[in-house]
Amino acid sequence: GESVGLHLPTLSVQEGDNSIINCAYSNSASDYFIWYKQESGKGPQFIIDIRSNMDKRQGQRVTVLLNKTVKHLSLQIAATQPGDSAVYFCAETPGAGSYQLTFGKGTKLSVIP
Amino acid sequence: DSGVTQTPKHLITATGQRVTLRCSPRSGDLSVYWYQQSLDQGLQFLIQYYNGEERAKGNILERFSAQQFPDLHSELNLSSLELGDSALYFCASKGASNTGELFFGEGSRLTVL
Repeated sequence: GESVGLHLPTLSVQEGDNSIINCAYSNSASDYFIWYKQESGKGPQFIIDIRSNMDKRQGQRVTVLLNKTVKHLSLQIAATQPGDSAVYFCAETPGAGSYQLTFGKGTKLSVIP
Repeated sequence: DSGVTQTPKHLITATGQRVTLRCSPRSGDLSVYWYQQSLDQGLQFLIQYYNGEERAKGNILERFSAQQFPDLHSELNLSSLELGDSALYFCASKGASNTGELFFGEGSRLTVL
């Protein structure tokens, strides 16, 4: 079936290093992808999005890469800070204009001071 | 603070009971989404309302129902509760933008004993 998932359940990085969180998706018709961050005790928070007609998008300290050939999505966080410690989810939408998000299982990022 | 308010934050009840979770979206947002987050299923889309009308259904059980009122607040009703219904229930609202940025509340944690 169609699914969005993550390669690694946990990731530990040193403060100041770059972090890379990966995500695989199986629906080749997916049109739109989003990364969310969930801190302990809070709801998910939007980080960055990318549409299927792009392969890279940059935000503040974050970059999302999309490889449609292998159906892979990644989130890169530059100069990781303790405040980046959270669970990161990739999500996809079934089509243009639809925002019923299908979330992956999540990757827990721990930043080592 | 996302601007989305959910009550109650915590709820403990027994199997077979019925509960109502309430959500107030961000001021001006017409769309409300409900998600369930459990350890085994992750974040799952339940249902979406737009300006009082149901727009989309996801993996919502027949024992669950929702509505959105004229003042745009929404309620999720869970009945004949089972142990497996224990989870975090999130409400999210969305503005008029064409991005997938949903604004999530802090969730209602339901424990069924």
